[in-house]
Amino acid sequence: GAGVSQSPSNKVTEKGKDVELRCDPISGHTALYWYRQSLGQGLEFLIYFQGNSAPDKSGLPSDRFSAERTGGSVSTLTIQRTQQEDSAVYLCASSWGLGGAGETQYFGPGTRLLVL
Amino acid sequence: LAKTTQPISMDSYEGQEVNITCSHNNIATNDYITWYQQFPSQGPRFIIQGYKTKVTNEVASLFIPADRKSSTLSLPRVSLSDTAVYYCLVGRPSDYKLSFGAGTTVTVRA
Repeated sequence: GAGVSQSPSNKVTEKGKDVELRCDPISGHTALYWYRQSLGQGLEFLIYFQGNSAPDKSGLPSDRFSAERTGGSVSTLTIQRTQQEDSAVYLCASSWGLGGAGETQYFGPGTRLLVL
Repeated sequence: LAKTTQPISMDSYEGQEVNITCSHNNIATNDYITWYQQFPSQGPRFIIQGYKTKVTNEVASLFIPADRKSSTLSLPRVSLSDTAVYYCLVGRPSDYKLSFGAGTTVTVRA
């Protein structure tokens, strides 16, 4: 079946511009996660959704970052006024139930963001 | 979340067994141990999960001693395609803020 998909796969933008990154989770998965991975680094947790709700937004690096999920499915991560330090791969994952360490997370291929 | 420590890198040759040990001294009673694999330019992929003793699937084995303060991922007879970064995660079902550290980069040579 279809896995997690993300778009665009690559995004080059100029400093100060806004960008939107999209994630389509596996159908029926209620938990959705966003992570950021800088070059050669591990994954940094950004935000978790259970359905359309995000109980904890503390992982978002600054108020320039926001995320929403509509219809319990597609999620959008928006970065306003991008900075060069935002350059990274943004990964989305989904899982069946309430989420958490007990569930398998299925990852998308990521969006590679480069801010010039 | 329990802090984990694993080697930064390991080298191996095709056909050998690779064992990666992860230390998690402050693991809690309800914590699970999970390993993910990440190939270049891809998202991580679940390999195996365990709570205690030994778990085996078609890809790997996970050995967990009685005190659960460490765990060892065992990859039998590796091939070049097993070259990847391997992440050890420790957390309980309610932990959604999972911490993927730097992982262990395993390089398999011919």
